[in-house]
Amino acid sequence: DQQVKQNSPSLSVQEGRISILNCDYTNSMFDYFLWYKKYPAEGPTFLISISSIKDKNEDGRFTVFLNKSAKHLSLHIVPSQPGDSAVYFCAASVTGYALNFGKGTSLLVTP
Amino acid sequence: EAGVTQFPSHSVIEKGQTVTLRCDPISGHDNLYWYRRVMGKEIKFLLHFVKESKQDESGMPNNRFLAERTGGTYSTLKVQPAELEDSGVYFCASSPPPRSYNEQFFGPGTRLTVL
Repeated sequence: DQQVKQNSPSLSVQEGRISILNCDYTNSMFDYFLWYKKYPAEGPTFLISISSIKDKNEDGRFTVFLNKSAKHLSLHIVPSQPGDSAVYFCAASVTGYALNFGKGTSLLVTP
Repeated sequence: EAGVTQFPSHSVIEKGQTVTLRCDPISGHDNLYWYRRVMGKEIKFLLHFVKESKQDESGMPNNRFLAERTGGTYSTLKVQPAELEDSGVYFCASSPPPRSYNEQFFGPGTRLTVL
């Protein structure tokens, strides 16, 4: 009963272009959404988040968009850099409770 | 500021043995979470402490897993006896009060291999 789904296991993008990572969720009770970035042999690192009362949050090169009616969120990275190559996890929660993660999308940014 | 630390980084044990994993959260973080990632699958919640109290242990797979957080500081997760399906990476995360603080800060994980 996976409640958060990342349907693309991998994505390859050229340096300087836009990377778009997608995430879908099923639980309408979720009110907070997060993106984490993970390098091999390290723990997930918090990247950016969005509350369900917003539809967009921006932090430098990273923007998260939330479409509540479609139960869909996306992470945009512009411009993409080789150092962005990592696994990106989408997570959702009901405030104050555990995070529910997707399986991750492995992003490769090529020079 | 020191991040979340976990010990050991790797553990290889045989089926039936006992293993204890330790997590030291960021100082001042009342909330402490344990998660597990089995290979190829998503990171799954195990349990949540607020200070020394278990708030939610709905993700604990069975009674072979025992988590403690004495004094509301570090936490241990004991697996006894370990089974093959317990293999995976165990992550600890912490967050400051209040409980409604949403961002969680993760440690590097402990990779457990049960042979």
